[in-house]
Amino acid sequence: GAGVSQSPSNKVTEKGKDVELRCDPISGHTALYWYRQSLGQGLEFLIYFQGNSAPDKSGLPSDRFSAERTGGSVSTLTIQRTQQEDSAVYLCASSLSGGAGLDEQFFGPGTRLTVL
Amino acid sequence: AQSVTQLGSHVSVSEGALVLLRCNYSSSVPPYLFWYVQYPNQGLQLLLKYTTGATLVKGINGFEAEFKKSETSFHLTKPSAHMSDAAEYFCAVSPSGGYNKLIFGAGTRLAVHP
Repeated sequence: GAGVSQSPSNKVTEKGKDVELRCDPISGHTALYWYRQSLGQGLEFLIYFQGNSAPDKSGLPSDRFSAERTGGSVSTLTIQRTQQEDSAVYLCASSLSGGAGLDEQFFGPGTRLTVL
Repeated sequence: AQSVTQLGSHVSVSEGALVLLRCNYSSSVPPYLFWYVQYPNQGLQLLLKYTTGATLVKGINGFEAEFKKSETSFHLTKPSAHMSDAAEYFCAVSPSGGYNKLIFGAGTRLAVHP
């Protein structure tokens, strides 16, 4: 079966534009996570979905960041009015149920975002 | 709040030498612990994890790690390095009893030279 896929793989945008990043989790996985990997901050948790609900949004860095998940499957991370500090690799992961320590998180290849 | 410290952002070893990558965590209760590997231009891959039970955990590619509660450590080792082990390694924790939110260390880049 297919793993976690993300699109686009690379995105270059101008400061102030909005961007949408897409994640397709493994089929049947109810838990979905977004992380950000940047030079200055390392790997940071952004948001966690269980089904279509997001019980933990604590890692979203500002109100310019939002995410949704529809049909318990595809998720979209939206960044409005992008800034240069948003440049990073955005990683998506999914796991079967989200139970602590019990389910492996499978990571996608990431979307590399560059804000000029 | 939980945190993870990886000592050494870069480690270099000779092929065939012991690999030791250090990880310490801070947590009021023992968390779940993970090591992930990221090969160049690839996604993160789980190497091994500790949840409960045996404190010595064996993972893929000959790696193992030992959970030491008294030292709040979860160091990663491999007896003999291969050139193919060159990658970035991340230690991570997840709060026990909750969902699988991962808190990562800064990563250690392992170089293996002939």
